[in-house]
Amino acid sequence: EAGVAQSPRYKIIEKRQSVAFWCNPISGHATLYWYQQILGQGPKLLIQFQNNGVVDDSQLPKDRFSAERLKGVDSTLKIQPAKLEDSAVYLCASSLTARGNSPLHFGNGTRLTVT
Amino acid sequence: KQEVTQIPAALSVPEGENLVLNCSFTDSAIYNLQWFRQDPGKGLTSLLLIQSSQREQTSGRLNASLDKSSGRSTLYIAASQPGDSATYLCAAVQGGSEKLVFGKGTKLTVNP
Repeated sequence: EAGVAQSPRYKIIEKRQSVAFWCNPISGHATLYWYQQILGQGPKLLIQFQNNGVVDDSQLPKDRFSAERLKGVDSTLKIQPAKLEDSAVYLCASSLTARGNSPLHFGNGTRLTVT
Repeated sequence: KQEVTQIPAALSVPEGENLVLNCSFTDSAIYNLQWFRQDPGKGLTSLLLIQSSQREQTSGRLNASLDKSSGRSTLYIAASQPGDSATYLCAAVQGGSEKLVFGKGTKLTVNP
């Protein structure tokens, strides 16, 4: 089966600019996650979707981050405006079911550098 | 609030050695615990998932155990190979929520 697809692979922007990331999950996976992984840290959940509804966005900085999952398939994560501390790898993951019943499948991530 | 800790942060072993990676969690009310592998510049690959009712799971040379009462999980790698070199992360799924809480990982280097 095709894996989780993410683009772009790398992005370099200046602070206060905006950026968007795209994710296409594995076909049939109802649950989609966006994680932020800062160098040397474990991934931190930003937002979790079940189909096209938000399950958890408690750690999403809503003043600058937004995410949507239209039609319950693809998803985009946007940062506007970006700050230096947003430099990280943004990982998208999907799973067949919620509650971690089934393993998560991760994309290769988008490495964001904010200068 | 669930906190997941992995010790050591880095481990270097000679090829062929058996090794154990440790993971501890503060809240024992977990739904399951998962182990992942991350290669440089890549996403995470799921290795093993242990449900809260289980004590261990095995896949090839990997064996993961879970002791909820002590808040610990271990990942045992038998007969290590250079290709096992990667960062290994554990994550606990909190009971009552659907959120995985990750540790910072253990960076494993297997020397030929």
